Amino acid sequence: GEDVEQSLFLSVREGDSSVINCTYTDSSSTYLYWYKQEPGAGLQLLTYIFSNMDMKQDQRLTVLLNKKDKHLSLRIADTQTGDSAIYFCAERGGADGLTFGKGTHLIIQP
Amino acid sequence: DTAVSQTPKYLVTQMGNDKSIKCEQNLGHDTMYWYKQDSKKFLKIMFSYNNKELIINETVPNRFSPKSPDKAHLNLHINSLELGDSAVYFCASSPPTGNGYTFGSGTRLTVV
Repeated sequence: GEDVEQSLFLSVREGDSSVINCTYTDSSSTYLYWYKQEPGAGLQLLTYIFSNMDMKQDQRLTVLLNKKDKHLSLRIADTQTGDSAIYFCAERGGADGLTFGKGTHLIIQP
Repeated sequence: DTAVSQTPKYLVTQMGNDKSIKCEQNLGHDTMYWYKQDSKKFLKIMFSYNNKELIINETVPNRFSPKSPDKAHLNLHINSLELGDSAVYFCASSPPTGNGYTFGSGTRLTVV
């Protein structure tokens, strides 16, 4: 079955880069997503990458995809206090719905 | 101009009651979904539905049923509510291609 794994917590200093990692099992995944959830809020789509791409950059966000290793990462440059949230990796595989990882809590140290 | 809207935002109810959560999307998407986020923030798909096919996650109790009066709406009905149903429920919709997956803001259900 489909499975998505990510670390539960990441702590970084303000101004440093944050790298959140994710692994997935479904080799038929077409799109891979990163969502952000702030406390008490809904799911905000940060970025997505199509499975035939290796990298996607959008302002402070860089997504890297290693399809061979089924590894996805999200790099946030110059991490700010407003980046504090839960970040979910998700894949869209053969079935239509998204399979989510358990979410990485990003903690920003001043 | 909210793309995917859910009502109510909060719902507190007693065990045994029957309740509904409404969802509407104005994006013209073909497929709509319901997801459940538990107290540990884990997200799981419950249903995937378009006008042709309903796909149910086999772990979802049959007390939960989606109802779609038209392509823009997918409501979630829950019968005989239990304490373990307390969670945040998210509605979502998507077009046939994968780059337009949009979530509603969630409904926090508390069963007492």
